[in-house]
Amino acid sequence: SQQGEEDPQALSIQEGENATMNCSYKTSINNLQWYRQNSGRGLVHLILIRSNEREKHSGRLRVTLDTSKKSSSLLITASRAADTASYFCATDSNSGYALNFGKGTSLLVTP
Amino acid sequence: NAGVTQTPKFQVLKTGQSMTLQCAQDMNHEYMSWYRQDPGMGLRLIHYSVGAGITDQGEVPNGYNVSRSTTEDFPLRLLSAAPSQTSVYFCASRRNRGNQETQYFGPGTRLLVL
Repeated sequence: SQQGEEDPQALSIQEGENATMNCSYKTSINNLQWYRQNSGRGLVHLILIRSNEREKHSGRLRVTLDTSKKSSSLLITASRAADTASYFCATDSNSGYALNFGKGTSLLVTP
Repeated sequence: NAGVTQTPKFQVLKTGQSMTLQCAQDMNHEYMSWYRQDPGMGLRLIHYSVGAGITDQGEVPNGYNVSRSTTEDFPLRLLSAAPSQTSVYFCASRRNRGNQETQYFGPGTRLLVL
């Protein structure tokens, strides 16, 4: 079953603004990952945060994890039109061999 | 490296037809998976494999078969296509089960079953 749920489902902002997406999950995790999917393409890994980490940065990306609330957030700072994509959070499945994905947040960044 | 490749990119089938979606990776990854992506549903796991000769079912395995005769290839077979199998199919691979390992995805196969 799907583990993560992203919020909001859709987000529209202007270039230069920050975009924040949230993910909630149901069971304990070893790590949580965020992926990006451009229209008509496969998913690309963005960042992984371990269960014992609270915050992680990668370029314009900032991810937080709150295991007590079973939630994570992805912040994209100074957004660009090229950031337009769907963003998914993912956690390890029960088997540990594949990932459970949320339904995604669709981000539109307008010039 | 080509990464994860999938063929075909797009396929139209009639109900009851069979076909095989091909997936290959050249990264010597042990773990491979098949997902389907439907509007508003995110990605759902169909089948996965932890190595050559070893496969197991995911969340939505009905109507699909897989095999893993080599490390590189992980084909997905639809035995008798149904309209409910209209979807975008993604193959993914991962080096091992380690907690820090990410998945690499292919570009997807768009399947339309009439």
